[in-house]
Amino acid sequence: GENVEQHPSTLSVQEGDSAVIKCTYSDSASNYFPWYKQELGKGPQLIIDIRSNVGEKKDQRIAVTLNKTAKHFSLHITETQPEDSAVYFCAATFSNDYKLSFGAGTTVTVRA
Amino acid sequence: DTGVSQDPRHKITKRGQNVTFRCDPISEHNRLYWYRQTLGQGPEFLTYFQNEAQLEKSRLLSDRFSAERPKGSFSTLEIQRTEQGDSAMYLCASSFGSSGSTDTQYFGPGTRLTVL
Repeated sequence: GENVEQHPSTLSVQEGDSAVIKCTYSDSASNYFPWYKQELGKGPQLIIDIRSNVGEKKDQRIAVTLNKTAKHFSLHITETQPEDSAVYFCAATFSNDYKLSFGAGTTVTVRA
Repeated sequence: DTGVSQDPRHKITKRGQNVTFRCDPISEHNRLYWYRQTLGQGPEFLTYFQNEAQLEKSRLLSDRFSAERPKGSFSTLEIQRTEQGDSAMYLCASSFGSSGSTDTQYFGPGTRLTVL
């Protein structure tokens, strides 16, 4: 099955700086890569996703890049704000599989 | 419009007892998923329904676990003879998709199970 590794496990940034989280996947058939944000006591919330026919996708302060050759994808958060503090998970899956394989998560702390 | 809802939000039980959780997906979503999340880890897939049919079960789902989705609407996850190792957050997600597509999964708030 798919194996997703995520780094770093914790990330502390100054408010206004950028945060970058990287994930690698093992199955070259994977073609869908969502990112979820999870706050304490809540379920994961989708923040952005990318499919394998696209190399980059942006949504305001959030962007995701995908390198299919190297089998890795990254989340970029610019101009971080205290409300960006949460645990972020990357995931991967492929067509006809449906189940998501998640990374272990990155705890992001934005210092005011 | 409401998102995925789960009930109860918290459950504390004694080892050996049976527990049942409920998930109500987003209206008209034909796919429903159960995941389990332990502290400090990402969610792990347990099982998946397309309409009322249970199409895949993870090896994590032992014989003590059973899931149903009657009439393709809400779903229940039952754990029999609970063990301390069952303590985790149980997450439900739903999506709408057709054959061959990878669709966006929306998660509920989860049910946190503590087995004493």
